Amino acid sequence: AQRVTQPEKLLSVFKGAPVELKCNYSYSGSPELFWYVQYSRQRLQLLLRHISRESIKGFTADLNKGETSFHLKKPFAQEEDSAMYYCALKKGSGAGSYQLTFGKGTKLSVIP
Amino acid sequence: DVKVTQSSRYLVKRTGEKVFLECVQDMDHENMFWYRQDPGLGLRLIYFSYDVKMKEKGDIPEGYSVSREKKERFSLILESASTNQTSMYLCASSPRPSGSSGTQYFGPGTRLLVL
Repeated sequence: AQRVTQPEKLLSVFKGAPVELKCNYSYSGSPELFWYVQYSRQRLQLLLRHISRESIKGFTADLNKGETSFHLKKPFAQEEDSAMYYCALKKGSGAGSYQLTFGKGTKLSVIP
Repeated sequence: DVKVTQSSRYLVKRTGEKVFLECVQDMDHENMFWYRQDPGLGLRLIYFSYDVKMKEKGDIPEGYSVSREKKERFSLILESASTNQTSMYLCASSPRPSGSSGTQYFGPGTRLLVL
């Protein structure tokens, strides 16, 4: 069975400092990885997908299959980045490939 | 604009009551999901549906059932509410084929308190 681990429940950084939110996964096949974000009083929404190799709001994430990691990074944190971040895994194909397995989430707090 | 709506933002129910949570999406998505979100536990999948009248158990289906009579509507039913079902409930939908993206679109959530 697949699993997603986010080791930090809470991460506090100062404004302007680099941010790295950790995500590790276990899955024997070829997964697709995602980061979802939930800002205060807003609905959960997609931030980025590894397959798109894009940068959204200054965030990037690289899938490292050797280390089974998909860490989310941003070089300079902003106050508006404060939110709850969830890493999620989707099976690449086959039965159940529309399901997502979520990590427990990391709350990012950016200190002014 | 993508839209998933949930019938209530807040609900207060008593132990033993039957509770209905409704979710509607206007994107013609085939897949719909119910999660509960608890601090420190993240999102846990209760049930999902990949087509009308089809349903599959998720990770924590005990104490819950679902109904999908129309494509746009997915209902979560608590047959006899208990205090340990106090939680935030999130509905989501996604299109098929799944290979196109893993993006799920979420509703605003229903915060349920069972007394």
